[in-house]
Amino acid sequence: DIQMTQSPSSLSASVGDRVTITCRASQSISTYLNWYRQKPGRAPNLLIYAASSLQSGVPSRFSGGGSGTDFTLTISSLQPEDFATYYCQQSYSNIPTFGQGTKVEIK
Amino acid sequence: EVQLVESGGGLVQPGGSLRLSCAASGFTFSSYSMSWVRQAPGKGLEWVSYISGSGSTIHYADSVKGRITISRDNAKNSLYLQMNSLRAEDTAVYYCARGHSYGYENWGQGTLVAVSS
Repeated sequence: DIQMTQSPSSLSASVGDRVTITCRASQSISTYLNWYRQKPGRAPNLLIYAASSLQSGVPSRFSGGGSGTDFTLTISSLQPEDFATYYCQQSYSNIPTFGQGTKVEIK
Repeated sequence: EVQLVESGGGLVQPGGSLRLSCAASGFTFSSYSMSWVRQAPGKGLEWVSYISGSGSTIHYADSVKGRITISRDNAKNSLYLQMNSLRAEDTAVYYCARGHSYGYENWGQGTLVAVSS
């Protein structure tokens, strides 16, 4: 199975900060990489698909990049509702896998 | 509006069985592949199973292979997960999700499965 590794596992930031989360795949996955935000007690919400495409209805402060094995999720200006856990997920193989998550907390 | 509503979760003893359902509305169900994704308490997301729109292609995670069966009834706009030989490590919130190659764009609210004696 393809292993997905996110870094950092957690971070502290303030409203208005620029935040970047990275995700590394154990083998090349082209751009079959998706990002989700999950608020406590809620289902995940798709933010970015195909590495850099913004899902409909998602604010433009979210952006994604990368290809092959290395990917990033950037939040240009952190908002109160962005304090949550973020997951990357590869959809390259028949066995999709998620990263372990990055928890974004209030500084 | 796309809606996915899971049901069927509950408390079950180790070795027991449970059948989860996911009722879909707001889209042409048969045109979309569907998946089950689970999340153990306080843990991350784990993909469990996939089924194509026609039901002809199915995949399972190694952790559940042989114990879980995914199915769908396109006439009833419903997705199912038959879970047998349940173990403590199967305890999780189970989500049904729409989508595949370009991410899971819609999720249900989840149903909790607790395996304990």
